[in-house]
Amino acid sequence: NAGVTQTPKFRILKIGQSMTLQCTQDMNHNYMYWYRQDPGMGLKLIYYSVGAGITDKGEVPNGYNVSRSTTEDFPLRLELAAPSQTSVYFCASSYSGTSSYEQYFGPGTRLTVT
Amino acid sequence: QKEVEQDPGPLSVPEGAIVSLNCTYSNSAFQYFMWYRQYSRKGPELLMYTYSSGNKEDGRFTAQVDKSSKYISLFIRDSQPSDSATYLCAMSDQGGSEKLVFGKGTKLTVNP
Repeated sequence: NAGVTQTPKFRILKIGQSMTLQCTQDMNHNYMYWYRQDPGMGLKLIYYSVGAGITDKGEVPNGYNVSRSTTEDFPLRLELAAPSQTSVYFCASSYSGTSSYEQYFGPGTRLTVT
Repeated sequence: QKEVEQDPGPLSVPEGAIVSLNCTYSNSAFQYFMWYRQYSRKGPELLMYTYSSGNKEDGRFTAQVDKSSKYISLFIRDSQPSDSATYLCAMSDQGGSEKLVFGKGTKLTVNP
């Protein structure tokens, strides 16, 4: 199984540009998440989804958008990139219900906005 | 006060040492406590999970939860260089909660 895959691995954006970070999971998980991780700052939840067609904001949603049209895919859209969005972005997925504490993470996308 | 506090380290120990990693929290509703391990330039992976108070052991790893003190610990016995990673604590108030609150992570280096 591939688990959770993310593309691209690295990206450099200019201020004001837009991009989509792709995330796909092949474990048939209902729950999917997007986090950002800044150095020494742990993981901050950006958006999450509990199933296809259902998304909700996490702790730091400003500047981002998501969609969930299928169980497998959960892309994250950055509009008008800003230097504050320089970070490592992780996508994760989990089963629903009481086992949702076990989240499976992708390898991350390192984004630099200059 | 932040919901979850974790000393970021870094922590450097010799091989074979006992390592103690800790987190404190302020939300008394937290009942589910996790430790994730993150190797350099990789995504985190679940290491240990504990519900409510008590201890849980898995090989060289022991997780402890003291809800009365709002304090959780991860002990690593006979530490190995392969244990070198960042360890993140995480918590939630419901078993089915999709929202985990993570600590900042403690970077551990085990020197051969």
